[in-house]
Amino acid sequence: NAGVIQTPRHKVTGKGQEATLWCEPISGHSAVFWYRQTIVQGLEFLTYFRNQAPIDDSGMPKERFSAQMPNQSHSTLKIQSTQPQDSAVYLCASSLGQRANSDYTFGSGTRLLVI
Amino acid sequence: GDSVTQKQGQVTLSEDDFLFINCTYSTTTYPTLLWYVQYLGQGPQLLLKVTTANNKGISRGFEATYDKGTTSFHLQKASVQESDSAVYFCALVASSGSWQLIFGSGTQLTVMP
Repeated sequence: NAGVIQTPRHKVTGKGQEATLWCEPISGHSAVFWYRQTIVQGLEFLTYFRNQAPIDDSGMPKERFSAQMPNQSHSTLKIQSTQPQDSAVYLCASSLGQRANSDYTFGSGTRLLVI
Repeated sequence: GDSVTQKQGQVTLSEDDFLFINCTYSTTTYPTLLWYVQYLGQGPQLLLKVTTANNKGISRGFEATYDKGTTSFHLQKASVQESDSAVYFCALVASSGSWQLIFGSGTQLTVMP
């Protein structure tokens, strides 16, 4: 069990460019979550999927951010026209599909730097 | 809405010291409360879960309890080791029915040898 795999681990983009972050959940986990972590804001929920369907995107910025889960083995978070304030660690987590608690496993994150 | 407050931003202890970290919460339902630990360069890992059914959780020498009357829950360990140095987050499962977690701001624990 390799855990939740996130790629790339580090990404540097220029202001205005697009960034795509990838997440491979644990096999058999049907819920996938995206969080953003910064020093100032801490851990912020962005969105989650259950059985590939988007369930709650209440934390997603309304513009420039989108997430998809085209199949059960990966999810992507896309940020268009990146801005310096998008710099953060983006964390993906997965769970078995019961109400999230003990089996909510995080990946190591993608550190995004927008310059 | 739901909220979690974790006031201790940094705690510095020596090995074998007693650890106590407190969180307070606000929610409209009987909560599931969790403690996560995050080591440098890694994502948060679940350390303990406490529900209204069990009131207490124990794992790896850590103990978590909650007090419904004061809407607080805390994490303690009798004797910390240098390897316990990490950031500790308390969290609450959202009451809205969403599966999102509401996290506290984290406590950076540094244990000196």
